[in-house]
Amino acid sequence: GENVEQHPSTLSVQEGDSAVIKCTYSDSASNYFPWYKQELGKRPQLIIDIRSNVGEKKDQRIAVTLNKTAKHFSLHITETQPEDSAVYFCAATPIQGAQKLVFGQGTRLTINP
Amino acid sequence: DAGVIQSPRHEVTEMGQEVTLRCKPISGHDYLFWYRQTMMRGLELLIYFNNNVPIDDSGMPEDRFSAKMPNASFSTLKIQPSEPRDSAVYFCASSFYAYNEQFFGPGTRLTVL
Repeated sequence: GENVEQHPSTLSVQEGDSAVIKCTYSDSASNYFPWYKQELGKRPQLIIDIRSNVGEKKDQRIAVTLNKTAKHFSLHITETQPEDSAVYFCAATPIQGAQKLVFGQGTRLTINP
Repeated sequence: DAGVIQSPRHEVTEMGQEVTLRCKPISGHDYLFWYRQTMMRGLELLIYFNNNVPIDDSGMPEDRFSAKMPNASFSTLKIQPSEPRDSAVYFCASSFYAYNEQFFGPGTRLTVL
């Protein structure tokens, strides 16, 4: 089945700097790649997603890039702020038509003031 | 809409007892997902439904776990008998259609003593 690996497991950056989180997936038929943010004690919430027919997508300070050949995708956060501190999860669809998501293990991002 | 509703928010029970978790998806959403979150195993999909029909229950850990969706506005996840290793946060999520944003409920924190 689909396997999603996420790195790093923890990331600490200075406020204002950029943060990059990377994920790889195993199923070349995967076609939907969302990113979820989970603040401490809260529920996961979608922050951005990308589909396989697009290489990059941006929403204000957040961007996601997808490399289908290499089977990896990345989350980029620029000008980080304290409220960006959270756990971030990437996910991928295992096979076309399966409709479910396989999540990475998560990255705990800490923004240092 | 009030979002995905889960009850109870916290449940403490003793080993061997039956536990029932409840979920009300967002009205109009065709997909409902049950997840379990632990530090060790991350966010795992247990089962998901499409139009009230279970589609994939391959993530259900064992026969002690069962899930039902008797109608479009209600689902239950039952553990009988419960064991200490079942302690986790259980999330319910719903989405309008496949490959689309999943909206998570607030979760149920289950502690089995």
